Amino acid sequence: NAGVTQTPKFQVLKTGQSMTLQCAQDMNHNSMYWYRQDPGMGLRLIYYSASEGTTDKGEVPNGYNVSRLNKREFSLRLESAAPSQTSVYFCASSTGLRQPQHFGDGTRLSIL
Amino acid sequence: SQQGEEDPQALSIQEGENATMNCSYKTSINNLQWYRQNSGRGLVHLILIRSNEREKHSGRLRVTLDTSKKSSSLLITASRAADTASYFCWVTDSWGKLQFGAGTQVVVTP
Repeated sequence: NAGVTQTPKFQVLKTGQSMTLQCAQDMNHNSMYWYRQDPGMGLRLIYYSASEGTTDKGEVPNGYNVSRLNKREFSLRLESAAPSQTSVYFCASSTGLRQPQHFGDGTRLSIL
Repeated sequence: SQQGEEDPQALSIQEGENATMNCSYKTSINNLQWYRQNSGRGLVHLILIRSNEREKHSGRLRVTLDTSKKSSSLLITASRAADTASYFCWVTDSWGKLQFGAGTQVVVTP
């Protein structure tokens, strides 16, 4: 089925470890987004990519880096994981910027 | 700070009843959207209402927008157990900034 695919679905890390969250969409969307969702906080935008080759900071970019590898893929990297980054991470995509239309099912990340 | 804030935070109703939730925001907006999130899943886009619209319908959903009060409401009529989910509003302001609220958790019991 067409959509947004995130991997992995679950991950447990130790403080200081690094990892990359993968996201791919097969809808030929130009824009892609990474959000984190925390209880009582709603979704907060970490980074977004308006189009292939461009990335921009969102509301909470500190501690993260992103790569728009190609039109399909947008990865999120934690270089040195911290317990405060324990969250559920969602990738989304849309044809145009500003209105995410499709979301992945999330990556549940716990940092001990 | 969150530009879209839903109210109430939680809502429990029985099947067949209507569920109403509200979203308030702080800035001028271009449009407002509602999303649903089932437990453990990503968000699903429900409906978009533009700043020059006052009401919009989609199936059992009815969305209203009052820009003078900076608020929107989502009404789910004849609710079903499958409507159990969290509902989020999303606003796009004039500068293109985007915000989600913390959501309204709706539980529909048989």
